[in-house]
Amino acid sequence: AQSVAQPEDQVNVAEGNPLTVKCTYSVSGNPYLFWYVQYPNRGLQFLLKYITGDNLVKGSYGFEAEFNKSQTSFHLKKPSALVSDSALYFCAVRDTGRRALTFGSGTRLQVQP
Amino acid sequence: EAGVTQSPTHLIKTRGQQATLRCSPISGHTSVYWYQQALGLGLQFLLWYDEGEERNRGNFPPRFSGRQFPNYSSELNVNALELEDSALYLCASHPGGELFFGEGSRLTVL
Repeated sequence: AQSVAQPEDQVNVAEGNPLTVKCTYSVSGNPYLFWYVQYPNRGLQFLLKYITGDNLVKGSYGFEAEFNKSQTSFHLKKPSALVSDSALYFCAVRDTGRRALTFGSGTRLQVQP
Repeated sequence: EAGVTQSPTHLIKTRGQQATLRCSPISGHTSVYWYQQALGLGLQFLLWYDEGEERNRGNFPPRFSGRQFPNYSSELNVNALELEDSALYLCASHPGGELFFGEGSRLTVL
């Protein structure tokens, strides 16, 4: 079975400060890892993915994520937060077989001006 | 290139009725996934169709069903609607990696 944990329901950060949204996962075999963002009353937008290769993955809107195999983590980061980054963020995982993505419960990011 | 399109945007039904939601994947994508996003419950996997066949199913009762047509569009049917079926239903397609989502269909059951 595959699972994802996002331990924080909400993260608050001041504009201009770095942000981190945490994600840990569990799969059998090698993971495919993803981050998505959801704005109010909208679908999910793809931010970035890790399939293989470099542990630091760069994505859209200045976001990046670091894959840590020993800690089974895939935390989302951004060096300088913007108010417009305020949204709901989902981490997702699947194994290398053809299966649907399993999503975490989501973390609401609130960036204060 | 058009993205994943879903219809209707909003749907209001009463308990016991049936709802039908539709999804068109991105051109060239043969897989369609359905997810339910109920308030406060995150995204729950419903169904996965590929090449016209149901490939996998989440932990939902049989009154949630669907199909995929030869043009790869898909339909989700929810029978005998219950109040807790009120949710945003999201459809996604993929070329083999990340999923691309539509804007969703919001179903309200009164």
